[in-house]
Amino acid sequence: DTEVTQTPKHLVMGMTNKKSLKCEQHMGHRAMYWYKQKAKKPPELMFVYSYEKLSINESVPSRFSPECPNSSLLNLHLHALQPEDSALYLCASSQGRIRKNQPQHFGDGTRLSIL
Amino acid sequence: ELKVEQNPLFLSMQEGKNYTIYCNYSTTSDRLYWYRQDPGKSLESLFVLLSNGAVKQEGRLMASLDTKARLSTLHITAAVHDLSATYFCAVDPGLFNFGNEKLTFGTGTRLTIIP
Repeated sequence: DTEVTQTPKHLVMGMTNKKSLKCEQHMGHRAMYWYKQKAKKPPELMFVYSYEKLSINESVPSRFSPECPNSSLLNLHLHALQPEDSALYLCASSQGRIRKNQPQHFGDGTRLSIL
Repeated sequence: ELKVEQNPLFLSMQEGKNYTIYCNYSTTSDRLYWYRQDPGKSLESLFVLLSNGAVKQEGRLMASLDTKARLSTLHITAAVHDLSATYFCAVDPGLFNFGNEKLTFGTGTRLTIIP
């Protein structure tokens, strides 16, 4: 069981569809993250939200649109994705750099397949 | 650009043996993390290393950090099958002061313990 909850666990969508990935944490963490992980590769950072404001965008294509409605929720809106976007999308949260000895906590991920 | 390299990429070892995974990184950093990932699963935090000479142990795993050499090691003692997984190190260069971290993950080491 993880303290970061992601839904859905699996998602299959066509290239013209619009869908959203959701992430929720109730640990009081003020930093939330989206990562993309391709098979047999390390996670790659996409976005970071700090205190509900976008602080890092790692040059992610605009077909990915993050949103942080409140301190517990993080969404990733998907539109017009490409087959190469198929991957495991991981959400994480942390206390941020103020708590040096605390790691990021990861959700179980959403496995996304683009047809 | 921060580069984080691990070796070996693949490691197959017999139960009861000892081995070490190495993590090298290219710029200064004030913190390093080790994570474990089982196939199709999320990332589980193992260790947080914050200072030069830091050593942490949990069960059969021990991690250390040499910030001057920009090197961390994950040592496995008397391996058991349950330790089969992919292990990632992750480095935060500490360049961002917005309350969040920017982790760069190593290439990963896929460890298989053979009975």
